[in-house]
Order: sequence, then C-alpha cells, then structure tokens
Amino acid sequence: AQSVTQLDSQVPVFEEAPVELRCNYSSSVSVYLFWYVQYPNQGLQLLLKYLSGSTLVESINGFEAEFNKSQTSFHLRKPSVHISDTAEYFCAVSDPLIQGAQKLVFGQGTRLTINP
Amino acid sequence: KAGVTQTPRYLIKTRGQQVTLSCSPISGHRSVSWYQQTPGQGLQFLFEYFSETQRNKGNFPGRFSGRQFSNSRSEMNVSTLELGDSALYLCASSVTGGPAEAFFGQGTRLTVV
Repeated sequence: AQSVTQLDSQVPVFEEAPVELRCNYSSSVSVYLFWYVQYPNQGLQLLLKYLSGSTLVESINGFEAEFNKSQTSFHLRKPSVHISDTAEYFCAVSDPLIQGAQKLVFGQGTRLTINP
Repeated sequence: KAGVTQTPRYLIKTRGQQVTLSCSPISGHRSVSWYQQTPGQGLQFLFEYFSETQRNKGNFPGRFSGRQFSNSRSEMNVSTLELGDSALYLCASSVTGGPAEAFFGQGTRLTVV
C-alpha cells in the first residue's frame, strides 16, 4: 500500500525567509503527487500537482515542488514566505491506475508558522 | 461558480446515535469523495461515488456508508456513533474522479459526546 511521510510536523520560519517542507512517498509504481494547503477551519486547497512531464512544478503564489523519482520525494519550497502562508500543508499521492484516482493517500501534514 | 457545499458545518451528537452529512458538488461534477480528518489518524479516504455508484472504498467499518443521488449530491451516514468518530469530514468533487481536478468543501465538524 502507498504511504506518504512528511518529515516535519511543524516548521517555524521568519517572514521573507526560504522554506522547504519535506515529503517522501513509498510506491514502486507511477504515482500522481500533490500538495494541498489547509487554512484554519477550512477545507483543502490544491497548491500544485505532478502528473507527468517536467519534474519541477510551480504554483501561482510562489511555491514550487520537485518530483525526484530516485529519492521518491516531492519536497515543497518557497524562496521567501509571507505571513499569509501560515497554514497546514499536506502532501498526497494517488495511483493513476486506480479508476477514480481521487483516492488520495495523505501525509500527516506540516504546520507552517511564519513569524514576523 | 459555486464551490463544494457541505452541510451542516458543525454537528454535535451523542454516542450511539446516527448522523447524516450532506455534500453538494460543483455543478457538472459527477464524482464525490469523502475523507475523515482527525488529529491522530490524519486524512483518511472513506469512499468515492461516481454516477450514483460506489467506485472506491477505504478501510472503515460498515457503520460508515454513503450514497449519491441522480443530481450528484452525496450523503454520508454514520450509525451507532462512537467517540472516535469525532472528526472533520471533508468531501471533494471532480468531473470524472481524477485528483488533478478535485475541489474540497469546507467540511463538517462532527463532535460525538
């Protein structure tokens, strides 16, 4: 069975500093990879996704993630964070061979706290 | 266009009761998935419905069930509630079921006392 490990449960950083949220997955087959963000008392919002093609994917708000097949990783990075980036971030994986590939397997989440 | 709507937003139930949660997907979306989010277990997939048929199921006991109507609206039912069922229940909709296009609702927070 697939599993996702987010190595840090909490990451505190100062505003305008760079950040990396780490995500590793276990799967021997092709996968789809995702990062979701959850603000307090809200649902999940898709931040970015890797389905195929370029291993570096970017979001509209400055986040990027790189798919590394050899290391089975999909780390999320941002060169300069803002207070509004404070949220919980979830890495997720799905198996493209499963019909209805919306069956996502999530990591435990990383709480990103931005300090002024 | 309107997003995924989950009702109610908050719910308090007593152990042993049953509860029904509702999810209205984005117009045109035929797939609805349900997830349970708890501090201890994180986000776990419950089941997915597509065109009124359950297409995928997670590892939850039979007390958890769902259905989907012809208008794609979905309901989730939990019978004989236990304290451990307290959680945020999220639903996600998409046109065909692919995660690349899944949109989540704000969730229903269920508290079992």
